[in-house]
Amino acid sequence: SQQGEEDPQALSIQEGENATMNCSYKTSINNLQWYRQNSGRGLVHLILIRSNEREKHSGRLRVTLDTSKKSSSLLITASRAADTASYFCATDAWFGQNFVFGPGTRLSVLP
Amino acid sequence: GAVVSQHPSWVICKSGTSVKIECRSLDFQATTMFWYRQFPKQSLMLMATSNEGSKATYEQGVEKDKFLINHASLTLSTLTVTSAHPEDSSFYICSAREKRQGGDLAKNIQYFGAGTRLSVL
Repeated sequence: SQQGEEDPQALSIQEGENATMNCSYKTSINNLQWYRQNSGRGLVHLILIRSNEREKHSGRLRVTLDTSKKSSSLLITASRAADTASYFCATDAWFGQNFVFGPGTRLSVLP
Repeated sequence: GAVVSQHPSWVICKSGTSVKIECRSLDFQATTMFWYRQFPKQSLMLMATSNEGSKATYEQGVEKDKFLINHASLTLSTLTVTSAHPEDSSFYICSAREKRQGGDLAKNIQYFGAGTRLSVL
């Protein structure tokens, strides 16, 4: 079964609003990463958070990690139409093991 | 950031033919490359892991004789879909893990190609 499960599966917001996506996983991890995928394109790495970190920022992105709850959240502040994409979390249990991707959250930012 | 080039971006072929997809890391060495398959509105499913100079490791349910993977160098891996059929039509994405010298095993970032859309008629 999937290691990462994103929630919600689809999210529609107005430009300027904040978007929050959640990811839950099942086993212990080394790190968790968030990726963005524009329709019909490859994935773009957004941010990595290690298991010993609780929060990380990158521009308008804020990622939190709660290892006790085995969950992570991705917050996009002041969203733009260009943020419209699918967002995936991927977990990495240890170096060398393969990523396991969640089903993704499809974000639509309306102008 | 690191760049992974995937070619072709779109291919249409007749049923029964073979299609080769290339994945190149342009500005870094990648000891490991991954091949994923993605159906519309679904997540990526790992097909196989390719290590330079050794045989690929296939995920359960993926036919190794159907999806031939070659990783001949630190910058190139190829996926060949042999005797393609309409059910093989999908979006195939490769990724490469950067070979890091020394330290930080926690930084296991994969860089993805733009994907190849395969349509088998």
